[in-house]
Amino acid sequence: EAGVTQFPSHSVIEKGQTVTLRCDPISGHDNLYWYRRVMGKEIKFLLHFVKESKQDESGMPNNRFLAERTGGTYSTLKVQPAELEDSGVYFCASSQDGFYEQYFGPGTRLTVT
Amino acid sequence: GDSVTQMEGPVTLSEEAFLTINCTYTATGYPSLFWYVQYPGEGLQLLLKATKADDKGSNKGFEATYRKETTSFHLEKGSVQVSDSAVYFCALSVQTDSWGKLQFGAGTQVVVTP
Repeated sequence: EAGVTQFPSHSVIEKGQTVTLRCDPISGHDNLYWYRRVMGKEIKFLLHFVKESKQDESGMPNNRFLAERTGGTYSTLKVQPAELEDSGVYFCASSQDGFYEQYFGPGTRLTVT
Repeated sequence: GDSVTQMEGPVTLSEEAFLTINCTYTATGYPSLFWYVQYPGEGLQLLLKATKADDKGSNKGFEATYRKETTSFHLEKGSVQVSDSAVYFCALSVQTDSWGKLQFGAGTQVVVTP
């Protein structure tokens, strides 16, 4: 069984540009989470999907971030326009339901210059 | 709000040494507690968990006991190996909240030398 995959593994963009991160959860997992770790600090929750619906997006920092989950399968996280403080590692996780273990992807390292 | 505080790293140890990583928490509800580990180049993996007071989670020689009275969940291993070099994250989840949303500490890097 394939694990959670994320693409790209690393992205370097200039301030003001747009970047789209992708997450493919484990097949059959209805719950999908996005987290990010900035500057070696704690990993912070961004949002949670149940199938294609946003269950909780309380951690999204501002309206430059847009997350979607097409048909309840893969998810994308778009940052537009990117700012320097958006640099960090973005993790995606999925779980069978909200009370089971979350399986994490390897993360996407975003560098905004 | 909920929060997790863990000791800062890096923690550098010799092989076969005893490892302790302190973790304390604050939570508005009754949390489940977790330790996740991130090995170099990999994603986070669940190392162990405990869902109620006095529960002990254990895996791969690591242990942590849920102490409600001291709001702590310290991670211990009696004899570390070079392969235990990784970043360790303490985390909590309050199930009455958003369906398993995890609140993490800042992570502790552990370096084990031969």
